[in-house]
Amino acid sequence: QKEVEQDPGPLSVPEGAIVSLNCTYSNSAFQYFMWYRQYSRKGPELLMYTYSSGNKEDGRFTAQVDKSSKYISLFIRDSQPSDSATYLCAMSGGNNNDMRFGAGTRLTVKP
Amino acid sequence: DAGITQSPRHKVTETGTPVTLRCHQTENHRYMYWYRQDPGHGLRLIHYSYGVKDTDKGEVSDGYSVSRSKTEDFLLTLESATSSQTSVYFCAISDGGVGNYGYTFGSGTRLTVV
Repeated sequence: QKEVEQDPGPLSVPEGAIVSLNCTYSNSAFQYFMWYRQYSRKGPELLMYTYSSGNKEDGRFTAQVDKSSKYISLFIRDSQPSDSATYLCAMSGGNNNDMRFGAGTRLTVKP
Repeated sequence: DAGITQSPRHKVTETGTPVTLRCHQTENHRYMYWYRQDPGHGLRLIHYSYGVKDTDKGEVSDGYSVSRSKTEDFLLTLESATSSQTSVYFCAISDGGVGNYGYTFGSGTRLTVV
């Protein structure tokens, strides 16, 4: 079993929809949680960063962490075609060699 | 990707040959990382560096070596390339380590071993 599980999709939604992306994990030592966005043929870019449990909002994006369930989510409100990308979850216990990434969910937002 | 450059962007090489990939940063960040990205596996850490001449292994380090002789440059060498090392390789940098900040990634090197 992988330490981080992420549904690869693909996920296709109409413009303006609310998108929910999720990851589950098994390592209870993880306490730093990130979401990266990766456009085709590009490197991942940091989208959201959360420490421990709780919610964090940045514009149309909201990240949620539930450590008791070992479950993290990213919500995208009013989705736009420019949000079409692969979204990677990532998490770490704070050591430089323990960051683990999900396999990524490919999202397409149709105009 | 401002501040971090990977070269080459694409490379095709033959099985058994050595290959070196370069990562160059202008951010003066202490930490540098090499990852590979494969379908279904996500990003996996190969090696990382926490300072000049200070490096350590990641989860998939077999068949790879690294060197960091200057703060700005981190080299990844495939000692004898195999078809299983066909992948997209990403370099990443961080100022405070993973505990304080996320990473900034380069644009990647697409390596094909034939």
